[in-house]
Amino acid sequence: DVKVTQSSRYLVKRTGEKVFLECVQDMDHENMFWYRQDPGLGLRLIYFSYDVKMKEKGDIPEGYSVSREKKERFSLILESASTNQTSMYLCASSLRVWGDIQYFGAGTRLSVL
Amino acid sequence: AQSVTQLDSQVPVFEEAPVELRCNYSSSVSVYLFWYVQYPNQGLQLLLKYLSGSTLVESINGFEAEFNKSQTSFHLRKPSVHISDTAEYFCAVTPMNYGGSQGNLIFGKGTKLSVKP
Repeated sequence: DVKVTQSSRYLVKRTGEKVFLECVQDMDHENMFWYRQDPGLGLRLIYFSYDVKMKEKGDIPEGYSVSREKKERFSLILESASTNQTSMYLCASSLRVWGDIQYFGAGTRLSVL
Repeated sequence: AQSVTQLDSQVPVFEEAPVELRCNYSSSVSVYLFWYVQYPNQGLQLLLKYLSGSTLVESINGFEAEFNKSQTSFHLRKPSVHISDTAEYFCAVTPMNYGGSQGNLIFGKGTKLSVKP
């Protein structure tokens, strides 16, 4: 079975802090994704990566950056956390970018105070 | 571009009753379709998918969905629900042909299914 592991289930940070959310997958997938999930809004794509050191903006990249130095690891970075970034963050991976199943981690619930 | 509409944000139902969760999509190209389920405090899990072939697809836990191209719909049904089916269900589409960021999954806003005893 594919396993996507997010390093933290719950995280509490202060406004202005730099925040790192880590995600690791164990299936040698080419593609990794970061989503944000908010009530009533569903899932919105922040960034995705189709190869090491490659990244593309999703629908809501403002205020976020990403890093993919190794194939199995994809990090989401909040350079200066703000209260409107309080949300559930979901990481996913897939073998192909399109037409393929995405496998999700359990999520990180981030609260910015 | 693609979009997905889940017509009901919440669906309450009694145990052993049938249920239908509705999903309509919009796309100028052919798409693959998915239903994902999110149980409380968990990530999303694939429930079923339509890639090609028979328009009726089934999951291992009794759900089924039918792809209707003319109505651009992919409704999810179960003839008899259990308490354990309580979860949020997401419909998603992705275009069959790669187009940069357009190759990503586009999700609906979700339907919360609440099964009561």
